[in-house]
Amino acid sequence: AQRVTQPEKLLSVFKGAPVELKCNYSYSGSPELFWYVQYSRQRLQLLLRHISRESIKGFTADLNKGETSFHLKKPFAQEEDSAMYYCALRGTSGSRLTFGEGTQLTVNP
Amino acid sequence: DAGVIQSPRHEVTEMGQEVTLRCKPISGHDYLFWYRQTMMRGLELLIYFNNNVPIDDSGMPEDRFSAKMPNASFSTLKIQPSEPRDSAVYFCASSGTGAIYGYTFGSGTRLTVV
Repeated sequence: AQRVTQPEKLLSVFKGAPVELKCNYSYSGSPELFWYVQYSRQRLQLLLRHISRESIKGFTADLNKGETSFHLKKPFAQEEDSAMYYCALRGTSGSRLTFGEGTQLTVNP
Repeated sequence: DAGVIQSPRHEVTEMGQEVTLRCKPISGHDYLFWYRQTMMRGLELLIYFNNNVPIDDSGMPEDRFSAKMPNASFSTLKIQPSEPRDSAVYFCASSGTGAIYGYTFGSGTRLTVV
């Protein structure tokens, strides 16, 4: 079975502060990990994927297989980063994504 | 490509009425997913299709909920009869097999049952 855990439902930081959104997973094979972002009352959008090792809007995420984690980080948070963030896992057996419960990030001025 | 298209964007209905939500996936995508999003339970997978065939409907909450995909370009989610606790945002998403970009989501339908 595959499972994604985001331990923090709410996270609040000040503008310019570093931010880390935690994501842990359980899966017996080699998963693909994703981060999705949902701005207020909008659709979920793909933020980044672990396989591309990219940085989008200043966010990065590194897959740590030893700790089974895929934490999302940004060194200097901006107010426009305020949104709901979902971590998601796709196993190698198909296209189904398993989502975590989400973390609501608020960046205060 | 216009992306995943959902209609209506908003729906307000009275308890007991039938509600039909619609989704047009991205052309060429062979997976279609229906999700429900609420404050209490977050994002829940209701059902998903592969090549128009329902694969897993274990997330459908009750018999009042049904979903169909008559062809590759259209799917419906029906609630009959609707109840206030069905109020939520319903998202449709589509994906291609092995798509490296994961899912593409629609804008959602915000359902309010009064």
